[in-house]
Amino acid sequence: EIVMTQSPATVSVSAGEKVILSCRASQPVSGNLAWYQQKPGQAPRLLFYAASTRAAGVPDRFSSSGSGTEFTLTISSLQSEDFAVYYCQQYNNWPPLTFGGGTKVGIK
Amino acid sequence: QVQLVQSGAEVKKPGASVKVACKVSGYTLTELSIQWVRQTPEKGLEWMGGFDFHDKKTVFAQKFRGRVTMTEDTSADTAYMEMSSLSSEDAAVYYCVTVRADSGNYKNVGNGYFDNWGQGTLVTVSS
Repeated sequence: EIVMTQSPATVSVSAGEKVILSCRASQPVSGNLAWYQQKPGQAPRLLFYAASTRAAGVPDRFSSSGSGTEFTLTISSLQSEDFAVYYCQQYNNWPPLTFGGGTKVGIK
Repeated sequence: QVQLVQSGAEVKKPGASVKVACKVSGYTLTELSIQWVRQTPEKGLEWMGGFDFHDKKTVFAQKFRGRVTMTEDTSADTAYMEMSSLSSEDAAVYYCVTVRADSGNYKNVGNGYFDNWGQGTLVTVSS
């Protein structure tokens, strides 16, 4: 099973600041990685797939990169609606498909 | 546009079974690949299982093998997830998801990303 580790677990940021979230895979997953955003009381929402391909409707202040075992999600200028929990998921090897533990982006 | 609408919240006693429904609209079920994910505060998001179109069988995360059944009624465009022998550790929000390949294909996709999520079904397990 591929273990996905996200860091930090929690980050506090002010609106307008840049934030970089990390996701590390225990084995290489090539570019088969997705990112999701989840707000309280809602289902997760797809942000990126194939490591860096933005899903429909995702603002361009969000960017994603990486390959192999190291991936990052960057929010260039945090907006109020971006305070949420972010998850990565690998789909290179299955079963199982696996998620990271999430990074909570909170208000400073 | 795919929409997934799940059945309502359930309260079950330990040892009981629960069956969650996921109604598809915007596409037919035969055009999609549906899998199931659950979420708990303790474990976060957990992939439960889905159909492996290469080996023609449903595959599960190890902890769910033997206890979870995933079925589909294509005439009703509805997928189902049934879990037996519930314990307090199964208290969670259960989601159905569509699985998509990087090519954009929805059909016959096993290992892919989840681009549509149901609203979630809260399952409470309490005596």
